[in-house]
This record gives sequence, C-alpha cells and structure tokens, in this order.
Amino acid sequence: KQEVTQIPAALSVPEGENLVLNCSFTDSAIYNLQWFRQDPGKGLTSLLLIQSSQREQTSGRLNASLDKSSGRSTLYIAASQPGDSATYLCAVRAGGGNKLTFGTGTQLKVEL
Amino acid sequence: DVKVTQSSRYLVKRTGEKVFLECVQDMDHENMFWYRQDPGLGLRLIYFSYDVKMKEKGDIPEGYSVSREKKERFSLILESASTNQTSMYLCASSLDRVGTGELFFGEGSRLTVL
Repeated sequence: KQEVTQIPAALSVPEGENLVLNCSFTDSAIYNLQWFRQDPGKGLTSLLLIQSSQREQTSGRLNASLDKSSGRSTLYIAASQPGDSATYLCAVRAGGGNKLTFGTGTQLKVEL
Repeated sequence: DVKVTQSSRYLVKRTGEKVFLECVQDMDHENMFWYRQDPGLGLRLIYFSYDVKMKEKGDIPEGYSVSREKKERFSLILESASTNQTSMYLCASSLDRVGTGELFFGEGSRLTVL
C-alpha cells in the first residue's frame, strides 16, 4: 500500500527565504506526482504536476523535482512571501491510474 | 481557466436527513471524484466516476452514494446523514480516463450534521 509522508508538518520562515518542502512515497511505481496548496477552509489549488518520466517542473518561483528511485519529491519556493502561507500537499498517482494517495501536508507560515 | 464548482460552501443538516452535494465542472473532463478531508486523517476518496453513469468505490464509500447523469455533474448523496459525516467534502476532476492528467478541485463544502 502506497504511503506518502511530508516532513516537516509545519514550517515558519522569514519573508524572502528560499525553502524546500519534502514529500516521500513508499512505492516508486507511480504515474505522476502533483503538488497542491490549500488555504484555510478552501479547496486545493494545483501547483505543479510531474509525470513519472520527468525530473522537474517549474512555475514562477516554484520548482518541483522528482526522484522516483528514491521515492522523493521536493517543492522549492524561491524568495518566499507572506502570501505563500498555506498548507502544501503532495499526492501520487499509482496503480489503477485513478487513485491518488495524499500526504498529510506541510503547513507553511511566511512571516514579515 | 479550469473551473470546478461546488454548489454549497456551508451546510448544516440534522441526523437522518438526506443530503445532496453537487459538483459541476466546465472542462469536459472524464473523471470526477469526491473526497472528504478531516483533521489528522487527510484526504480520503469516497467515490469516483470515469464516465457518465459509471462509478467506482473509493476507500470509504459506506454511508454514501453518487450519481453522474451528465458528464459535467457529479453528485454525492448522504442517504441518512450521521454526525460522523460532519466534514469538509471536496470534489475534483481530471481530463483523461487513464489517470495521468492533472487533478483540479472545487472550493469545498463544509457539512455539519447535528
């Protein structure tokens, strides 16, 4: 059974810092991995999708990498801003194609 | 822009009531999903559908049913609501049946059952 772990569970950084969020998964036979952000009381917003054949994806200040063999993905956020404060979740799609397994998220706070 | 719309953001219902949660997507996506999200338990898949009138059970289907009569609309039904169904319900959709596509979520429906 696929298990997805996100460490740390919470992170607080000063504005302007570059930071890395981690996601690890136990079964490397995945189709893709997706990163989301969730603001309090809201739905999930898709940030980046990495297919299993890709090593990384970039969108603005965000860069996500994927290392299938080691079962890891990282989300790099450059020059963090208070508006980046949210919970970040990763999810992997494996076996059967339609089922995602979500991590429990990293709650990020960027302070002024 | 991709749009998944959940008709009710907040609902308060009484135990035993029948509850309908509606979700509409405007992207002609084939796959639609219902999740619930609870503190400490994360997101759990209730049901999903890969085509009109098709449905498959997720990890926690007990106490729920679904309906997909049109491609753009996926409804979650609680036949007799119970207090342990108090939760945040999230609808999502993705483009292709194979499942390699990006998943898009609605804003969520916060259900409280008294």
